[in-house]
Amino acid sequence: NAGVTQTPKFQVLKTGQSMTLQCAQDMNHNSMYWYRQDPGMGLRLIYYSASEGTTDKGEVPNGYNVSRLNKREFSLRLESAAPSQTSVYFCASRTLTGETLNYGYTFGSGTRLTVV
Amino acid sequence: RKEVEQDPGPFNVPEGATVAFNCTYSNSASQSFFWYRQDCRKEPKLLMSVYSSGNEDGRFTAQLNRASQYISLLIRDSKLSDSATYLCVVNGGYSTLTFGKGTMLLVSP
Repeated sequence: NAGVTQTPKFQVLKTGQSMTLQCAQDMNHNSMYWYRQDPGMGLRLIYYSASEGTTDKGEVPNGYNVSRLNKREFSLRLESAAPSQTSVYFCASRTLTGETLNYGYTFGSGTRLTVV
Repeated sequence: RKEVEQDPGPFNVPEGATVAFNCTYSNSASQSFFWYRQDCRKEPKLLMSVYSSGNEDGRFTAQLNRASQYISLLIRDSKLSDSATYLCVVNGGYSTLTFGKGTMLLVSP
C-alpha cells in the first residue's frame, strides 16, 4: 500500500519555466490537497479538491493551477515559475465522512522545488 | 489573531523529561483537532487526534478545552526519538485543515 505518491522529489526550474507536480493516492480517499511549506511560515494550503470533479482555492493560490484528473490523481501546475515559489510542496489526501472527521491527512513525501 | 498559534520553540529537554506543548485556535466552530509530528526534511505524520474528553496514547496525552479554544500535548518520559517538530492542526473549513507553525523539540542524552 503506497499511500500518497508525489513526483518528482526534487526539481530545479529557471524563472519562467513551467512544470507539473504529480500526486496519486491509492487509499480511495475523496479529498486531496496541495500545501507548500516555507521556513517560518508553516504549511499553507494552495488548492484542494473536496471530491472528484471539484477544486477550490486555498490560502495561497496565485501562480498555481490544479487538475483533479480522477479520484486517485491531483496535479499542481506552475505555469511561469518565480523564485517566490521555491518551497517544499506536499500533497495530502483524506476521506470525509462523519465518523472520519477524526482522521487527519495522509501526506506524500514532498517535492523540493527551487526556482532560480 | 492567527488561526492556529503554538508556543515558539525550540524546546530543549533531557531524556526522561516531561514536556508540554500548547496551542490556541481562533475558529470556535472547529470540530477536528490533531497533533502531527514532522521530522526534519520529512512529511508531517499524524501523531494523534484530540477528542473532547482528552485522550492518551502511551506516553502522549492530548487535551482539548473548547471554551478556551486551547489544545495541549503532553509527552512523558521523553526519548531521543521524540526529537521532531510538533504541529497543532485544526479543521479550517469542512474539508480543510489549518496547521500551526509548529514547535521544535530537541531531546538530549
